[in-house]
Amino acid sequence: DTEVTQTPKHLVMGMTNKKSLKCEQHMGHRAMYWYKQKAKKPPELMFVYSYEKLSINESVPSRFSPECPNSSLLNLHLHALQPEDSALYLCASSLPKATQYFGPGTRLTVL
Amino acid sequence: QQQVKQSPQSLIVQKGGIPIINCAYENTAFDYFPWYQQFPGKGPALLIAIRPDVSEKKEGRFTISFNKSAKQFSLHIMDSQPGDSATYFCAASKDDYKLSFGAGTTVTVRA
Repeated sequence: DTEVTQTPKHLVMGMTNKKSLKCEQHMGHRAMYWYKQKAKKPPELMFVYSYEKLSINESVPSRFSPECPNSSLLNLHLHALQPEDSALYLCASSLPKATQYFGPGTRLTVL
Repeated sequence: QQQVKQSPQSLIVQKGGIPIINCAYENTAFDYFPWYQQFPGKGPALLIAIRPDVSEKKEGRFTISFNKSAKQFSLHIMDSQPGDSATYFCAASKDDYKLSFGAGTTVTVRA
């Protein structure tokens, strides 16, 4: 099973809202990632968790707050987002430093 | 600074044709080169991957050719089908958590 699941599929939020994106995998992967993808562009790395600890933060604004409650779950908490944050948010997982498997993404629209 | 350069940006072929996508890199520390296929509104899916000690790898109708001395690698889609119409990303990594993506190629296969 090489499946990464993400919820919700779509999310519309106002600039003052607080929402969360959820990602789950049951492949025993100990590395989990958040990416942001704009239309017709490649994914951009935001955060990497390795063994439930944040190991990479690609200078992401603090209005994005990641959380890794356990080895199977990854959350991305959103607060006070801007319209330019509208994008497809992708979660991925992998064995340490190995092939990354992506989820289907959450399409986020910030009004 | 883009570490992996991908071309062309888009291409159109007739069914049965062989679309070829090329990627080039500068960093000789890269040692893993995956290709991802992405359909609109979906997450990238791993298609095929290669390491520098192999010059060619085939999986079904997809073939990667790798030229280590030229620091180039390419994807060929044999006997292309309309269902292969998607965006393809090459990527490279160097035994860490970061994938350097190419800019992407949109392939359209006409019936």
